[in-house]
Amino acid sequence: SQQGEEDPQALSIQEGENATMNCSYKTSINNLQWYRQNSGRGLVHLILIRSNEREKHSGRLRVTLDTSKKSSSLLITASRAADTASYFCATVNYGQNFVFGPGTRLSVLP
Amino acid sequence: DTGVSQDPRHKITKRGQNVTFRCDPISEHNRLYWYRQTLGQGPEFLTYFQNEAQLEKSRLLSDRFSAERPKGSFSTLEIQRTEQGDSAMYLCASSLGDRAYNEQFFGPGTRLTVL
Repeated sequence: SQQGEEDPQALSIQEGENATMNCSYKTSINNLQWYRQNSGRGLVHLILIRSNEREKHSGRLRVTLDTSKKSSSLLITASRAADTASYFCATVNYGQNFVFGPGTRLSVLP
Repeated sequence: DTGVSQDPRHKITKRGQNVTFRCDPISEHNRLYWYRQTLGQGPEFLTYFQNEAQLEKSRLLSDRFSAERPKGSFSTLEIQRTEQGDSAMYLCASSLGDRAYNEQFFGPGTRLTVL
């Protein structure tokens, strides 16, 4: 099974609202990263949070990490239509590879 | 453009044919990854190189798949005797460093359709 599992699978909100998506994982990690993918395109790195960090901000993005619950959340504030995309968490354990979850498909309606 | 590039962007082939994809990473990046992504799913790891050495291959990478990075720069992924189940987006990513901890930079992908 996949290491990272995003929740919800799909989310539809109005422009200006906040969007929250969650990621759960199973094993110890070095860091957790969030990526965005527009339809038919490659992935774009959004933010990285290390295992010893609890919260991180980047512009309208806020990421939290709870290693005791093995979960992370991504909050996008004041959403825009351009935020419409799929969002993936990638867990990076003490091995060598990223493991991506199935993603959350976000639709921001104008 | 100094990002990761992939060629071709789209490939349509008939079952049983061989196909080859190319990835050009960011020039100073020593790590190069290949992933496969099917519709509605996240990328699945296939293999990665550190410089010219292929250090790990996923169980997803059957013996019909082969990847090379001969001079530690660009990489090729070849699929022999393609099957309809090979239809997917093939993504390449590169990163800098000796560990998988750093940000990966992805190319736009090659979309393969096997008829």
